[in-house]
Amino acid sequence: EAGVTQFPSHSVIEKGQTVTLRCDPISGHDNLYWYRRVMGKEIKFLLHFVKESKQDESGMPNNRFLAERTGGTYSTLKVQPAELEDSGVYFCASSQVRGFSGNTIYFGEGSWLTVV
Amino acid sequence: AQSVTQLDSHVSVSEGTPVLLRCNYSSSYSPSLFWYVQHPNKGLQLLLKYTSAATLVKGINGFEAEFKKSETSFHLTKPSAHMSDAAEYFCVVSDRRNQFYFGTGTSLTVIP
Repeated sequence: EAGVTQFPSHSVIEKGQTVTLRCDPISGHDNLYWYRRVMGKEIKFLLHFVKESKQDESGMPNNRFLAERTGGTYSTLKVQPAELEDSGVYFCASSQVRGFSGNTIYFGEGSWLTVV
Repeated sequence: AQSVTQLDSHVSVSEGTPVLLRCNYSSSYSPSLFWYVQHPNKGLQLLLKYTSAATLVKGINGFEAEFKKSETSFHLTKPSAHMSDAAEYFCVVSDRRNQFYFGTGTSLTVIP
């Protein structure tokens, strides 16, 4: 069974440009999460989809970030325009069971974004 | 509110000696706790989890962790370190909405 896959694995863009990160969750997983780790900081929650609906987007830093999950399958996270402080690793994760505390979340390998 | 504190940002051990990575948590109710590992340029891999069953939890690769409510701790241990254990380790607590809160990570170095 394929795990959570993310694309691109690495991206270097200039300040002001746009980047779109893609995540394919484990097949059959309704829950999809985005997390991010900026340099030297802890990994922080960005948002949570249940199927195609945004369940919780309280962690999104500002309106330069837009996440979508059309059809409840893969998700994209767009940063437009990118700023220097957006550099970091963006992790996607998915899980199967909803509404259950202690449910295991499976992470992808991350998309490493560098804004120069 | 939920949070975790990883007491050491870096730990260095010799190969074959015990590993102890410390984690303290804060939670307003009985928590679910996890340890994840990230090897260089790899994703986050689940080592083990505690969800209010046995307080001593065994994970993959010989790791285990003990939930101690009185000390609000969930320290990760391994009897004998291997070179392949060199990685960054994250202690995580989840809330009732299954939102994860990560510690700042502990980087483990294993000296040959």
